[in-house]
Amino acid sequence: AQSVAQPEDQVNVAEGNPLTVKCTYSVSGNPYLFWYVQYPNRGLQFLLKYITGDNLVKGSYGFEAEFNKSQTSFHLKKPSALVSDSALYFCAVRPYFNKFYFGSGTKLNVKP
Amino acid sequence: DGGITQSPKYLFRKEGQNVTLSCEQNLNHDAMYWYRQDPGQGLRLIYYSQIVNDFQKGDIAEGYSVSREKKESFPLTVTSAQKNPTAFYLCASRTTQDNQPQHFGDGTRLSIL
Repeated sequence: AQSVAQPEDQVNVAEGNPLTVKCTYSVSGNPYLFWYVQYPNRGLQFLLKYITGDNLVKGSYGFEAEFNKSQTSFHLKKPSALVSDSALYFCAVRPYFNKFYFGSGTKLNVKP
Repeated sequence: DGGITQSPKYLFRKEGQNVTLSCEQNLNHDAMYWYRQDPGQGLRLIYYSQIVNDFQKGDIAEGYSVSREKKESFPLTVTSAQKNPTAFYLCASRTTQDNQPQHFGDGTRLSIL
């Protein structure tokens, strides 16, 4: 069965500190990997994706993500967190065709 | 501006009533999706469509129905058979080019009266 795990329901970080939001997956083949952000009562916004190549991918708003094939992980990172980064973050994988599988989401709280 | 429009933003359903959620996109995307979002459960796929006049069940299709008569439109009907319909419903679309992400609308929040 295909699955995506975000082991932390919530991550708390102080403004200016680095942040990491974790994602691991269990899917067949070589999936495409995505991160999205959701603000209250809004849809999901695309942040970044990994398709192939360099294991460190850069995306919107200063976010980046590190792909690790041996650990089947795709952790979201940012060197210096902003209060405005506070939101719900989703990891998603697309193992084949047009289906996507989403993690349960991680709420990021950035405190001033 | 291109995008996905979901309407209404809030919807209330009475017992035994069917309700239809609208999703329209002007991105010229072939594939469209409906997800249900419940707190702590992430997004669960209800139905998806890769082309006009064709759609497939997702993981939680029971109690829901869809149609895809036009490329731009993918309405979702929540039938009376769906016993727990209170949730946030999200529509998404994407081009079927291999590595592209989904684009999402701003959702419809459905509640039971």
